[in-house]
Amino acid sequence: EVQLVQSGAEVKKPGESLKISCKGSENGFNNYWIVWVRQMPGKGLEWMGIIYPGDSDTRYSPSFEGQVTISADKSITTAYLQWSSLKASDTAMYYCARSSHIVVAPDQWGQGTLVTVSS
Amino acid sequence: QSVLTQPPSASGTPGQRVSISCSGSRSNIGSYPVNWYQQLPGTAPKLLIYNRNQRPSGVPDRFSGSKSATSASLAISGLQSEDEATYYCATRDDSLNGFNWVFGGGTKLTVL
Repeated sequence: EVQLVQSGAEVKKPGESLKISCKGSENGFNNYWIVWVRQMPGKGLEWMGIIYPGDSDTRYSPSFEGQVTISADKSITTAYLQWSSLKASDTAMYYCARSSHIVVAPDQWGQGTLVTVSS
Repeated sequence: QSVLTQPPSASGTPGQRVSISCSGSRSNIGSYPVNWYQQLPGTAPKLLIYNRNQRPSGVPDRFSGSKSATSASLAISGLQSEDEATYYCATRDDSLNGFNWVFGGGTKLTVL
């Protein structure tokens, strides 16, 4: 079973860049899709986008297109979510999750990475 | 404003059966299976129901899903204190471009 381990909490200032990671526990990672989900403080879940690490096929949810970049390095079974210029409104918990197909609900989730953006 | 509408809260007593609704449209619930997630406080979401009414290994059969036209429901029978959590419905939506999955706003279930 693929387990997903996310990088640790981050505290950043507005305007700074950031890249958080989601590492899969085995080579099977490259045969699954990895999705990113945002949860702002006290709010619900939002799908951000999805990537297939095997060939880096990436799709974004309309609300997040152009706001973040999703990438992956299949050689180290790791997916990434990055920002070039953070805003205070990016403060949230970010989860990665695994799906066997782009049309199948993700079933394995990482523990989450808390990103705090404050001046 | 979520594309899928859920009541913000629900409650029940231990042993009771509760139902949580998820209302959508032809482009989402009317076209695709509805999935349900449980999020316990301070933890990552957990898949409860997928592909109409399938349960991942380890999810008790007290949880069941149903769908009719453009609405779906999650039913929890024999309510237990550990069921106190926020529940989200999720599916795809044909009206969106790109990655077209959507969540409901979530329903916080309180076990009285």
